[in-house]
Order: sequence, then structure tokens, then C-alpha cells
Amino acid sequence: GAVVSQHPSWVICKSGTSVKIECRSLDFQATTMFWYRQFPKQSLMLMATSNEGSKATYEQGVEKDKFLINHASLTLSTLTVTSAHPEDSSFYICSAPSRVRHNEQFFGPGTRLTVL
Amino acid sequence: DQQVKQNSPSLSVQEGRISILNCDYTNSMFDYFLWYKKYPAEGPTFLISISSIKDKNEDGRFTVFLNKSAKHLSLHIVPSQPGDSAVYFCAASSSGTYKYIFGTGTRLKVLA
Repeated sequence: GAVVSQHPSWVICKSGTSVKIECRSLDFQATTMFWYRQFPKQSLMLMATSNEGSKATYEQGVEKDKFLINHASLTLSTLTVTSAHPEDSSFYICSAPSRVRHNEQFFGPGTRLTVL
Repeated sequence: DQQVKQNSPSLSVQEGRISILNCDYTNSMFDYFLWYKKYPAEGPTFLISISSIKDKNEDGRFTVFLNKSAKHLSLHIVPSQPGDSAVYFCAASSSGTYKYIFGTGTRLKVLA
């Protein structure tokens, strides 16, 4: 099946710094990608929809100035957590929709962010 | 407001027996439902899906049942295997959108 990769797989940073997470579709093009966040023992929560060539669409309650999304090409979306704080520590997962199977998404392996 | 709920946070089943995972939803606009399996520190992997025009979909050991009137779906795994041990999420979406609303997950443990 289609593969979605994320880099880095884990990152530890100091409070106040910015962290960039990359999401790549390896063998298919994705005009849309999704960013999710999962806190321990909780569900995956959709943060935003990344659109190639246009602005991202953010879910209610997600600060667009804090979570910057750039979808620069048909295979790459980036999420930058700006001025990270300990409460931003979470598991961030991206996904891209399948072009073959209706409504199916392919998920990346996730990025574990720990902010000290 | 949790639109998709999985009320059982965990489930233990003996190898070879049936595992039944349940999911309830509240939004009647949802018309497509999926089950994903997730291991720790990994992204979810697709298992099986069902459209609201059906009430059952089967794929090997996995069967999903949909009861639209009750806004309830369930995933049956028969026979359960130790390798099935993971967290299972149900997700719902509406036509014309790829946006998923995930349930809170059920941790399945299949005992050898």
C-alpha cells in the first residue's frame, strides 16, 4: 500500500524553541494531508487540513499561529510548532487520503514531541 | 462533545475466541466508517471500512457490522490471534470529506 513517512520520529526540545515535523507521501501525490495530535490514552484529534498551494484549514481551538503548516509540494507537508511549551508535548501524526479506496487515509508513523 | 465513542477502553480475549469491539456515534451525517489498528509509537493502519448503505462488510477474519438506527458499529475478529493485540480505533466521516472523527480507542489483548 501507499507509504507516508514522517521525520523526525521523535524530538526533544527546550521550551520556547520551534520544531518542524515533515510528512511525506513516498509513492503517491497528495494535494491534501491531515495533521492529528494524540495525547496519552486519548483519541487522535484532527488539528488541521493541509492543502497544497493554499492555506491550511484549522480545526476549532487550534492556534494557527502556533502550529504553522506549509504544503509546499504534492508530496510534502510540514508542521512547525512555534515557541513550544511542555503542554505541546504529544504524538503528532499526519495522513494522506487514498486515491483508490474511497475515504481511506494512509497514516504516517508519527512524531513524538517532548518539550522540556 | 465526543461524536464517536468507544466505551470499552480495554478488552481481553483468549486466543481463538471472538473479539468484539464496539463503537457508537451521534452525528447522523456520518456515512462512512472505518476501523484502524494502532501499535504504540506507530501510526494507525487501516483494517476495514463500511459505507452506510451496507450493514455488514467482511474481510477475512474481520467483520464490521453497522446498525444505523442505533448509530452503532462493531468489529468482530474471529478467530483472535495474539498478533491482534493492539489499540483499535473506529473513525467516522461524511461524504465529500476526508476528515475523520476518531473514537477514543479500545486496547485489545489476545491471550495465548
